[in-house]
Amino acid sequence: GDSVTQMEGPVTLSEEAFLTINCTYTATGYPSLFWYVQYPGEGLQLLLKATKADDKGSNKGFEATYRKETTSFHLEKGSVQVSDSAVYFCALSSSQGGSEKLVFGKGTKLTVNP
Amino acid sequence: DSGVTQTPKHLITATGQRVTLRCSPRSGDLSVYWYQQSLDQGLQFLIQYYNGEERAKGNILERFSAQQFPDLHSELNLSSLELGDSALYFCASSVVRGQEDTQYFGPGTRLTVL
Repeated sequence: GDSVTQMEGPVTLSEEAFLTINCTYTATGYPSLFWYVQYPGEGLQLLLKATKADDKGSNKGFEATYRKETTSFHLEKGSVQVSDSAVYFCALSSSQGGSEKLVFGKGTKLTVNP
Repeated sequence: DSGVTQTPKHLITATGQRVTLRCSPRSGDLSVYWYQQSLDQGLQFLIQYYNGEERAKGNILERFSAQQFPDLHSELNLSSLELGDSALYFCASSVVRGQEDTQYFGPGTRLTVL
């Protein structure tokens, strides 16, 4: 079945450091790919998405490019802030089997220190 | 604010009891999804409804059931509760429009079974 693998955390960075969180996927068909973020004590918020190969999703300085050849969707940010501290989830939706359900990775906890 | 509402925010109950979680989707969204987030299992898809009909089932226990009403709100019923059912339960909604579909999450209901 479909699956998502993302790098194990936790990740601890200093403010203004460069961030990469790796995400790879296995899916039949052509999935849409998502990054969701969960701030402490809150629900999931959509951070960015890409629906086809070579698409780049971006939001709030975060970027991720849909790479079909490497089945990857790595999250990057050039300069992190303390307010970026959260848990980040990579997810896919393939619409296979008649459902648009999301399949999530295990999440990566990011802590940014001042 | 995603536009998806969930009640209650917190629920504390005892083993063997039954509870009902409620979700109101974003205006115009026809599909509702339920997910469970626990420390050991991560984020797991439970069930999807589309315009009142069940569309897909995931890892949902037989003790759990759901429905979507004509006004499109949904309820997740959990019965014969066990300690292991303690988790954060999220509802999400989407329009369901092929590759452009995006799920928006509610703030979640934290269930504690004592």
